[in-house]
Amino acid sequence: AQSVTQLGSHVSVSEGALVLLRCNYSSSVPPYLFWYVQYPNQGLQLLLKYTSAATLVKGINGFEAEFKKSETSFHLTKPSAHMSDAAEYFCAVINPGFQKLVFGTGTRLLVSP
Amino acid sequence: DAMVIQNPRYQVTQFGKPVTLSCSQTLNHNVMYWYQQKSSQAPKLLFHYYDKDFNNEADTPDNFQSRRPNTSFCFLDIRSPGLGDAAMYLCATRDPSSGSYNEQFFGPGTRLTVL
Repeated sequence: AQSVTQLGSHVSVSEGALVLLRCNYSSSVPPYLFWYVQYPNQGLQLLLKYTSAATLVKGINGFEAEFKKSETSFHLTKPSAHMSDAAEYFCAVINPGFQKLVFGTGTRLLVSP
Repeated sequence: DAMVIQNPRYQVTQFGKPVTLSCSQTLNHNVMYWYQQKSSQAPKLLFHYYDKDFNNEADTPDNFQSRRPNTSFCFLDIRSPGLGDAAMYLCATRDPSSGSYNEQFFGPGTRLTVL
């Protein structure tokens, strides 16, 4: 069965600092991975997705993620944090054949001035 | 803009009083999902429709039911809300014809309060 693990329920950075949110996956088949962002009292918005085309995936708002099979990781990064990046971030893997998203537990990003 | 719409955004109901949440989409996607998200938790899938085919998650309580009268609309009915049903309810859609692994599009959610 597919699963994802997000390390760190909270990550705090200063404005302008590097953002690194960690996600490790477990999958018996080549995975398809997603990062979603959720702002308070809002739905989930897709940041980026990995579907085996390229290992470095660029998304919206300056975020990117690199798929590393050897490390079973799909960490999300952004070179310079902005106050507007403060939100909850979810890593997810899709369950092939069942068409369901399996979410990680989420990481809340806090950005201080 | 094509989108997923949820009404109302905030819903207050009383313990045991039936409530219906609605979702509509202009994306013309075949698949629609309902999730429950409690505070500081990941969304939890309740059920989904593939066209008119209803797929219930094994651990979804019988208290939760759904209707999809047409492609555009989907409803979540909570027959007898309990205090534990207070949560954000998210609707999502997906277009399987554009690839099996494409993303789900989420609505803004309905926050349900049970008094």
